Amino acid sequence: QLQLQESGPGLVKPSETLSLSCAVSGGSISGSSYFWAWIRQPPGQGLEYIGSVYYTGRIYHNPSLESRVTISVDTSKNQFSLKLFSVTAADTAIFYCAIFVDTQSPPNFWGQGTLVTVSS
Amino acid sequence: QSVLTQPPSVSGAPGQRVTISCTGSSSNIGAGYAVHWFRQLPGTAPKLLISGNNNRPSGVPDRFSGSKSGTSASLTITGLQADDEADFHCQSYDNSLSGWVFGTGTKVTVL
Repeated sequence: QLQLQESGPGLVKPSETLSLSCAVSGGSISGSSYFWAWIRQPPGQGLEYIGSVYYTGRIYHNPSLESRVTISVDTSKNQFSLKLFSVTAADTAIFYCAIFVDTQSPPNFWGQGTLVTVSS
Repeated sequence: QSVLTQPPSVSGAPGQRVTISCTGSSSNIGAGYAVHWFRQLPGTAPKLLISGNNNRPSGVPDRFSGSKSGTSASLTITGLQADDEADFHCQSYDNSLSGWVFGTGTKVTVL
C-alpha cells in the first residue's frame, strides 16, 4: 500500500517561493505508471488540482497556475516536489500530494496534507 | 477556481434524504469522464465515498448513492444520520484543461 507524506515550511512570505516535497513509501516512484499530483484547498474552500508529473516525466499543470508552478521528481529520494513562485495570501492553503492512475479514476492515495500560510 | 459547481450547503432532518448536485460541462462530465465523490471531515484529507459515478468502495453504506446524467451528477444520502455531517466534493477530469477538476464543495448539515 502506497503512502504519501508532505513536508515543507508552514510559513512563506509574500512574493517568495513555496516549496513542498512528497515522500513516497510502500513502492517505487520510478516503477509505477501513475500521475503524481498536487492538490490544494484554501481554508473553508474547495479542492483545486495544481498539477502532476507522469511517471514518464511529462508535466501537467492547471492552466490558472501554470506560469508559477514547477513539479519535479527525485527518483533517488523516491519523492516528488512542488514549487509555487511569487506567492500571495491567496495561495494560503492545505496542500495535498496524491496519486491518480488515469483520467477515469479518483485519486487513489492522498497524503495527510500540510498547511502553508503566506504571510509576512 | 472550481470547474464543477455544487450548492454551498444542504440540510435535512435525521432520516430524510438529501441530494447534492454537481454541474459540469461538455469538456468534463458531459464528455463521459467518471464522477467521483469524496467526504471530508474537519482537519482531515478527503475520503473516497463514490467512484466511477455510482460505485461504493468497501465499507461505504448503501445509504450513499451516485448518479450521472448529461453534464451533471448527483450524490444522494438516504436515511440521514447525525454523523453524516461533513463536506462533500465531486471530482472528474476535464479534457480542455487536461487535468482533474473538483467541485466547489457542499456542507451537509443534519438538523
